[in-house]
Amino acid sequence: ETGVTQSPTHLIKTRGQQVTLRCSSQSGHNTVSWYQQALGQGPQFIFQYYREEENGRGNFPPRFSGLQFPNYSSELNVNALELDDSALYLCASSRQQGLAHSSYEQYFGPGTRLTVT
Amino acid sequence: GQQVMQIPQYQHVQEGEDFTTYCNSSTTLSNIQWYKQRPGGHPVFLIQLVKSGEVKKQKRLTFQFGEAKKNSSLHITATQTTDVGTYFCAGSFVMRFGAGTRLTVKP
Repeated sequence: ETGVTQSPTHLIKTRGQQVTLRCSSQSGHNTVSWYQQALGQGPQFIFQYYREEENGRGNFPPRFSGLQFPNYSSELNVNALELDDSALYLCASSRQQGLAHSSYEQYFGPGTRLTVT
Repeated sequence: GQQVMQIPQYQHVQEGEDFTTYCNSSTTLSNIQWYKQRPGGHPVFLIQLVKSGEVKKQKRLTFQFGEAKKNSSLHITATQTTDVGTYFCAGSFVMRFGAGTRLTVKP
């Protein structure tokens, strides 16, 4: 098991509502990436945070936003929820050296299953 | 934009048979990572390949990175029921994941 934790495990929201998902990264890791995984699909990159700054973003609208805190934990916020936002949301932490776009071994958390009705 | 395609989408094998999944990118990759996701679980890192033509082995698993760094493969020799899951490749910085290959193994 990785040291990455996510909360809550499951969540049910209504269309139009807002949601905040949380992630605690593995000890010693300074980078958190968030992914959306629809059923039967591969994880889709939402964005990455390195040392509290956004360091890359996938093809997601601005209503998906995030934060990283000094202890490198992170939040994913989604406003104006839509039915298509129903998915497993995964965070992954890694220990990155610098802002250079390179890849590092990622440790995934168990995910938050979001259902929008 | 960069696309990472994986084939096949599904593979069902008899225990003891070999299994291979292929990953192809529309652009040159700086590196490629492979992950395994068990049913109901989360992706678990298996390996990262960086060099052109690189081959790495982990017990029954063999990973290859193409000479042009646009394709990769994962080969499992003599599958076991513990190999069941979905195998994903992911390329370069933004970790564009393929759709995965779902492997089922019949005992």
